[in-house]
Amino acid sequence: NAGVTQTPKFQVLKTGQSMTLQCAQDMNHNSMYWYRQDPGMGLRLIYYSASEGTTDKGEVPNGYNVSRLNKREFSLRLESAAPSQTSVYFCASNLDSRYTFGSGTRLTVV
Amino acid sequence: GQQVMQIPQYQHVQEGEDFTTYCNSSTTLSNIQWYKQRPGGHPVFLIQLVKSGEVKKQKRLTFQFGEAKKNSSLHITATQTTDVGTYFCAGPNVLRGNNRLAFGKGNQVVVIP
Repeated sequence: NAGVTQTPKFQVLKTGQSMTLQCAQDMNHNSMYWYRQDPGMGLRLIYYSASEGTTDKGEVPNGYNVSRLNKREFSLRLESAAPSQTSVYFCASNLDSRYTFGSGTRLTVV
Repeated sequence: GQQVMQIPQYQHVQEGEDFTTYCNSSTTLSNIQWYKQRPGGHPVFLIQLVKSGEVKKQKRLTFQFGEAKKNSSLHITATQTTDVGTYFCAGPNVLRGNNRLAFGKGNQVVVIP
């Protein structure tokens, strides 16, 4: 009963580097989400997947890509990291409108 | 677009006192949810309110959904140091479908011992 698992927990990147944030849920939820959280900005939706094979842009998709590999996994990729992407990233899944969040990835781009 | 606003954004509360945080939506909501995020942690689901005028209690926490289903409040009595954190309200994004929540920016609560 792990819920939503995110890896890595911490990451430091240099500007221009790429990386993929991994997310997996074991609750058989259809919908999955990627959010970023910045001080004073609350939770902003980056991308959303209503079900396996479908993805949709959120409020702040620029600079990101996603893959819904299967029902369990939803990954977020930064192709060329920028300092503006320094943030805390949360993955979440949804059942009956209740979101379950992962523990987050703290990303710093220098 | 749809907006969910929370006031205040920050609160300093003396241990033992009561406080209330408010949430207002620009649109009528089918339901509203509250989440709590401890410092350094992730948001955790607290409760969902569905009915107009609904009131639910969880120990020292009282949640209320407005009659018009456009606002909500969270009242905490006898504040404890464990109440520190950021409280978010969220409602279905009517423009994007009920599977997507619109979150408020949160009310960050600091408890003064």
